[in-house]
Amino acid sequence: RKEVEQDPGPFNVPEGATVAFNCTYSNSASQSFFWYRQDCRKEPKLLMSVYSSGNEDGRFTAQLNRASQYISLLIRDSKLSDSATYLCVVNPTFGSTLGRLYFGRGTQLTVWP
Amino acid sequence: DAGVIQSPRHEVTEMGQEVTLRCKPISGHNSLFWYRQTMMRGLELLIYFNNNVPIDDSGMPEDRFSAKMPNASFSTLKIQPSEPRDSAVYFCASSREAGGVEQYFGPGTRLTVT
Repeated sequence: RKEVEQDPGPFNVPEGATVAFNCTYSNSASQSFFWYRQDCRKEPKLLMSVYSSGNEDGRFTAQLNRASQYISLLIRDSKLSDSATYLCVVNPTFGSTLGRLYFGRGTQLTVWP
Repeated sequence: DAGVIQSPRHEVTEMGQEVTLRCKPISGHNSLFWYRQTMMRGLELLIYFNNNVPIDDSGMPEDRFSAKMPNASFSTLKIQPSEPRDSAVYFCASSREAGGVEQYFGPGTRLTVT
C-alpha cells in the first residue's frame, strides 16, 4: 500500500467554483502534513502546511482527520491561476525515515474561464 | 537569496553514457534530497543527506546510480551507464533541517536517454 494516496483527477472547474481534494495516508504515526503545488514543467512548491485544528490561507483551507488518516484541501472562488497539480505530502517521523517526505501522485486541477 | 541551483537544466544523452547531475542547496540548509519524477511513478525520493551524510538511499534504483555530497554546498547524482528508462526529471531539494519542514526544490534537470 502506498504511503500517500490521492485521486489523480483531473478536476476541470469553471472560475469561481469551489473544489476539494482528498488524500489518505497509511502511517498512523505521521506527524507533519503539507500541500504542495506544482505548475506544469516546474518544481513543486509548498502551498501550505496542514495543522490538526485545520487552517486557512485566503481562499485555501486545509483539514486533517487523524482518526480517518485523511487530509483535504478546499479551494474557494477558483482562479485561472489555480490551475496546477496539487501534491499531498506526509512526513512520518520515525526511525530511518526521519526527514523524508512522502509525496502523493498529485491531483490535477484545471480552472477554465 | 538564490534558491536551489541545479545543472544542467536539460540533458540529452545516448544509452550507455555517464550522466552527472549537479545541485547547490540553499546556503545554511542541512538536508539535501534527490528526487526523480515521471508520469508513471510520480515523485520518488532517491536519496537524502543530512549534514553531508547519506541517511536513506533505499530509493536509489540500482547500482548504476550513485550520489555524493562532498561538502555542504554541493551534491552530485551520477548515472553510469545510463539507460532509456532513466529518462525523467530529476529534482534536488534542500531544507533547513531533517524532519517535517518545508523542502525547497530546484528547477530540475530534464534527462532524456536515447
